[in-house]
Amino acid sequence: DGGITQSPKYLFRKEGQNVTLSCEQNLNHDAMYWYRQDPGQGLRLIYYSQIVNDFQKGDIAEGYSVSREKKESFPLTVTSAQKNPTAFYLCASSIRLAGASGANVLTFGAGSRLTVL
Amino acid sequence: QQPVQSPQAVILREGEDAVINCSSSKALYSVHWYRQKHGEAPVFLMILLKGGEQKGHEKISASFNEKKQQSSLYLTASQLSYSGTYFCGTENNFGNEKLTFGTGTRLTIIP
Repeated sequence: DGGITQSPKYLFRKEGQNVTLSCEQNLNHDAMYWYRQDPGQGLRLIYYSQIVNDFQKGDIAEGYSVSREKKESFPLTVTSAQKNPTAFYLCASSIRLAGASGANVLTFGAGSRLTVL
Repeated sequence: QQPVQSPQAVILREGEDAVINCSSSKALYSVHWYRQKHGEAPVFLMILLKGGEQKGHEKISASFNEKKQQSSLYLTASQLSYSGTYFCGTENNFGNEKLTFGTGTRLTIIP
């Protein structure tokens, strides 16, 4: 079955430590995304990538970094510069609808919950 | 800027109807609707691409008023399985593949 795998599901880290969240997809989707979810704030875009070796900042990129060396993989690093990293992180990938320019339907992974102690 | 959803939360009895609204301050190319059950990933429901377009799936339908930069999701004769948080996602007028989500509407259906 095709899908998106995020790991780990739960992660605890001490303040000042960097942590990397994994996201792998076998859907052959070109675009991948990272969202952060906090209670009452919906889903906020951190970074997105439309092709390999290229990515763009989303609305809340400060304190995060990404890489896109392979089409299947889009890891997110939460750095010590992120002031409030405790959150639920969702990775997604998308396929463009046939005949619809710019209309992407997202498939989400199950998420990673990061808690900073 | 995130689109604004209303209401923030709603509780219904099984069989009642609900409307969830999504408004944007920017011109829209498309509106997406997703549902997220507690502890799970959001799941795609439908996408609306043209102004005034209405789409439906079983007893869930949606409309898109391009001029007013608004979309509404209609849930008719709600079922227990409809419980969850509903998010609208919007693409701007240039279709730049960046989806911006609203703050969500938590829907609870009780027997």
